[in-house]
Amino acid sequence: QKEVEQNSGPLSVPEGAIASLNCTYSDRGSQSFFWYRQYSGKSPELIMSIYSNGDKEDGRFTAQLNKASQYVSLLIRDSQPSDSATYLCAVNEDTNFGNEKLTFGTGTRLTIIP
Amino acid sequence: GAVVSQHPSRVICKSGTSVKIECRSLDFQATTMFWYRQFPKQSLMLMATSNEGSKATYEQGVEKDKFLINHASLTLSTLTVTSAHPEDSSFYICSVNPSGSGETQYFGPGTRLLVL
Repeated sequence: QKEVEQNSGPLSVPEGAIASLNCTYSDRGSQSFFWYRQYSGKSPELIMSIYSNGDKEDGRFTAQLNKASQYVSLLIRDSQPSDSATYLCAVNEDTNFGNEKLTFGTGTRLTIIP
Repeated sequence: GAVVSQHPSRVICKSGTSVKIECRSLDFQATTMFWYRQFPKQSLMLMATSNEGSKATYEQGVEKDKFLINHASLTLSTLTVTSAHPEDSSFYICSVNPSGSGETQYFGPGTRLLVL
């Protein structure tokens, strides 16, 4: 059973601080990793994808991947109240059919405190 | 990213009726679409992979005769919840995986189903 683990939170961070979200996964064969943001009552929206070890930056967001430790994280700099949401970590699941499925973590609920 | 629509956005039905949910890829052709279900405060659970022109691939524990999937064109997949019961009340979300985007999936806005 392939698993993706996240701390469910809630994680409370003051406005302007750095929010750090963590995710571990069980399948060593996974090659693609994604962070999605989901506001309450809405569907997930893609924030970032990462495929190689190291850091990947996009604006205020930085994704970090360590395949040896099977660990992926998301940092949000200069946190804003609009960043308050549930953040879902997703990891690809290789299939024999060539259509890659994603396994989602349960999500971390982030609250930015003004 | 890809633009995906779903219809209806919200539906309330009586127990025992069937409900059809449409998922449309608006800006590209999708040979594969995914259907998820999300219960309150839980994560996304993949129900099935919808393949254009062929049978859908269902996840373990998902009844294919209850959740009928039809992917008749490259821009439309439908999920029909047959003989719906209150326990089928959930948030149903489709996603697409555009070719050339690796494994990235883009989600539709979701359909909230309430079965009375």
